[in-house]
Amino acid sequence: DAGVTQSPTHLIKTRGQQVTLRCSPKSGHDTVSWYQQALGQGPQFIFQYYEEEERQRGNFPDRFSGHQFPNYSSELNVNALLLGDSALYLCASSLTIGLRTDTQYFGPGTRLTVL
Amino acid sequence: KNEVEQSPQNLTAQEGEFITINCSYSVGISALHWLQQHPGGGIVSLFMLSSGKKKHGRLIATINIQEKHSSLHITASHPRDSAVYICAVRSWGEGANSKLTFGKGITLSVRP
Repeated sequence: DAGVTQSPTHLIKTRGQQVTLRCSPKSGHDTVSWYQQALGQGPQFIFQYYEEEERQRGNFPDRFSGHQFPNYSSELNVNALLLGDSALYLCASSLTIGLRTDTQYFGPGTRLTVL
Repeated sequence: KNEVEQSPQNLTAQEGEFITINCSYSVGISALHWLQQHPGGGIVSLFMLSSGKKKHGRLIATINIQEKHSSLHITASHPRDSAVYICAVRSWGEGANSKLTFGKGITLSVRP
């Protein structure tokens, strides 16, 4: 049973470019959350997707957008990249049961470097 | 002030020592998570607590809801325990599916 997978592992972009990161949730999970972790800091919540819709969002600008597909996989898109977007981007999947979300399982992350 | 504070910031221990890592939070929560992050980024969920105490192998996690405080204990520490330990909380008022708010994490180094 595959856990949460993310691609690519590493990515280098230049300022102003756009990037798409991908996440496949753990088998049986239907909810995907995205986090940004700057060096030396704890992860910061970007947004969460459930039933192909953005259910909750953190304090990130509109340059950060996402999508969830019918197979529950998800993409994180960042437009007009800034140097400060350099970080580890973590995806976490979980199962929503009624009003409750079960334990989140984290992927290995995508390391984005913006030059 | 951050909603989640962890202490100490960094910790170095000798193999075999008993280690305690603390987490304090300032909001009402529905659950608290202890996570382990190894170099390279992968995060593993160690515990999810809403009350009391949980034990898994050499790891013990406790939470005091009234004091808004949790501790992660490692008994008989080993160099393979070297990692960043992160505390994260899920707060009330945002629904059961709310986001996690993370502490900055504590870097633990266990010397052989």
